[in-house]
Amino acid sequence: NAGVTQTPKFRVLKTGQSMTLLCAQDMNHEYMYWYRQDPGMGLRLIHYSVGEGTTAKGEVPDGYNVSRLKKQNFLLGLESAAPSQTSVYFCASSKTSRGTDTQYFGPGTRLTVL
Amino acid sequence: GDSVTQMEGPVTLSEEAFLTINCTYTATGYPSLFWYVQYPGEGLQLLLKATKADDKGSNKGFEATYRKETTSFHLEKGSVQVSDSAVYFCALTPMEYGNKLVFGAGTILRVKS
Repeated sequence: NAGVTQTPKFRVLKTGQSMTLLCAQDMNHEYMYWYRQDPGMGLRLIHYSVGEGTTAKGEVPDGYNVSRLKKQNFLLGLESAAPSQTSVYFCASSKTSRGTDTQYFGPGTRLTVL
Repeated sequence: GDSVTQMEGPVTLSEEAFLTINCTYTATGYPSLFWYVQYPGEGLQLLLKATKADDKGSNKGFEATYRKETTSFHLEKGSVQVSDSAVYFCALTPMEYGNKLVFGAGTILRVKS
């Protein structure tokens, strides 16, 4: 039982390049989330998904797209990377949408955009 | 809007010292409150949570009590260890449904031997 995994762990991009971050969970969770972590700001929600084939915007969605084609996978895409997107990206999942439910986090992807 | 404010760090303590990390929140309704911990190079792990007023969450010697009257959820531990060195995040989910965490900025804890 691996929990939540993310690939890659590190990536360096040039401005304007594109990439996709992959998140996978093996807990059969319905809900998945993408956050970014920046110094002094905690984590902020980018996009989330309430089930296979459905996605929604979070607090900071601009410049990102997501897809949830399979229940266990949640992809985060950057179509044209910008230096402002340099950050650590975390994926999380939860079984339900109840506010009391625990979110389980992956190990993170450190992205640098030059 | 909903928000979480934590004490700024870093907090540096000697081993076996008492730890308090302050957390206050602003939310409408009845939020659930969480403390997550991030060890160096790792993702976030749930440390403890409380889902209603006066609840006490506890785990690994850490405790926090949901105080609605002071809108606080302070983290405490009686005797810290070097292995407790990490970043601690206070967070809330503002609604009963709609599991979207709102995080504080995080507090770095360094414990010296």
